[in-house]
Amino acid sequence: DQQVKQNSPSLSVQEGRISILNCDYTNSMFDYFLWYKKYPAEGPTFLISISSIKDKNEDGRFTVFLNKSAKHLSLHIVPSQPGDSAVYFCAAENQGGKLIFGQGTELSVKP
Amino acid sequence: DTAVSQTPKYLVTQMGNDKSIKCEQNLGHDTMYWYKQDSKKFLKIMFSYNNKELIINETVPNRFSPKSPDKAHLNLHINSLELGDSAVYFCASSQVGSRMQETQYFGPGTRLLVL
Repeated sequence: DQQVKQNSPSLSVQEGRISILNCDYTNSMFDYFLWYKKYPAEGPTFLISISSIKDKNEDGRFTVFLNKSAKHLSLHIVPSQPGDSAVYFCAAENQGGKLIFGQGTELSVKP
Repeated sequence: DTAVSQTPKYLVTQMGNDKSIKCEQNLGHDTMYWYKQDSKKFLKIMFSYNNKELIINETVPNRFSPKSPDKAHLNLHINSLELGDSAVYFCASSQVGSRMQETQYFGPGTRLLVL
């Protein structure tokens, strides 16, 4: 039973536009959320995170929004660049200290 | 310099064989992890070691045995391989242990195919 889900397996966006990647979770005890980015044949790399006491965290072109009542978070990339094309994983940390990952969304940014 | 390295990158083997995957990190981290990415693409934690001590052990068949000779290495040994073991296995490390809130650094993955 997956506690973290990314329901869109893929997303295609035009260069310069906004990319919005979504993630839903079921466990209200999660207190920390992270986004990882993965290129083919490489391991995931950390992108941005947010604590459950916040509803927004911004880092350059990347912003993560957290809606605790809806148990939903999203990653906004603006403006999107071709180099952003990758698989994006959402992850949540439970109180045992484990990261629970979603299944990823493949973003394709077209020039 | 590769921060987290895994060998081999690809492993094709027959059912019933025993194989090992090695992981090394040169980041000076205290905690290391093994994840399995299954056919549905979910990344699921299997084990975590902090300073050579096992701290997370998920419901994984006991055919899987992690071994940590020192805090920079966490190897994964798999006995009697089964078809369902085919997956990508990722090693990772982080500075902090059980309540992380620290980023984990991942290796490139080992693609295991059991025939």
